[in-house]
Amino acid sequence: EDKVVQSPLSLVVHEGDTVTLNCSYEVTNFRSLLWYKQEKKAPTFLFMLTSSGIEKKSGRLSSILDKKELFSILNITATQTGDSAVYLCAVTGGSNYKLTFGKGTLLTVNP
Amino acid sequence: GAGVSQSPSNKVTEKGKDVELRCDPISGHTALYWYRQSLGQGLEFLIYFQGNSAPDKSGLPSDRFSAERTGGSVSTLTIQRTQQEDSAVYLCASSLAGGLGSGNTIYFGEGSWLTVV
Repeated sequence: EDKVVQSPLSLVVHEGDTVTLNCSYEVTNFRSLLWYKQEKKAPTFLFMLTSSGIEKKSGRLSSILDKKELFSILNITATQTGDSAVYLCAVTGGSNYKLTFGKGTLLTVNP
Repeated sequence: GAGVSQSPSNKVTEKGKDVELRCDPISGHTALYWYRQSLGQGLEFLIYFQGNSAPDKSGLPSDRFSAERTGGSVSTLTIQRTQQEDSAVYLCASSLAGGLGSGNTIYFGEGSWLTVV
């Protein structure tokens, strides 16, 4: 059974701090790893990673995948209060339509 | 529509009653998914539609749960004889095609928050 573990489960920081969120996985026939941001109900897509060692970047957010060690990190630099959300990591494996999610990391950014 | 639309956004029902949750995917998206998010848990896959057929319904937790999709568009998730453990957010998502990959990802709706009392 595919498995995704995220850490930490929650994190409180001050505006301007840099944070690193972790995602480790066990999956049969790995295809891709995805990061989502969930502020209220609808998770919004951030990144999809398929190749090891290639950083994806969007503004202050970046992510990288290590397929050898089976993990990914999501970095957020110069955090803002609007970054407060649950960040979800998910993987696809043998079924390339089914996402297996971790429980998420609750990030709170205080002013 | 511009995004995945779900209704109702909130539903409170009595234990034992049936409920129907509706999903209207992004126009042109052939693949549709239902996920469930219980308190403190990650999203849990329920069912996947490609067009009107459901090649994978392995995540439906019991035979009280069923889903259908008509016209390759709107989908309805039905829960019969609801139980308290069914309380969760039910999220619908759609994608342009069934295989997730570069350039094809899934987009989620706002969800339907179901509370069974």
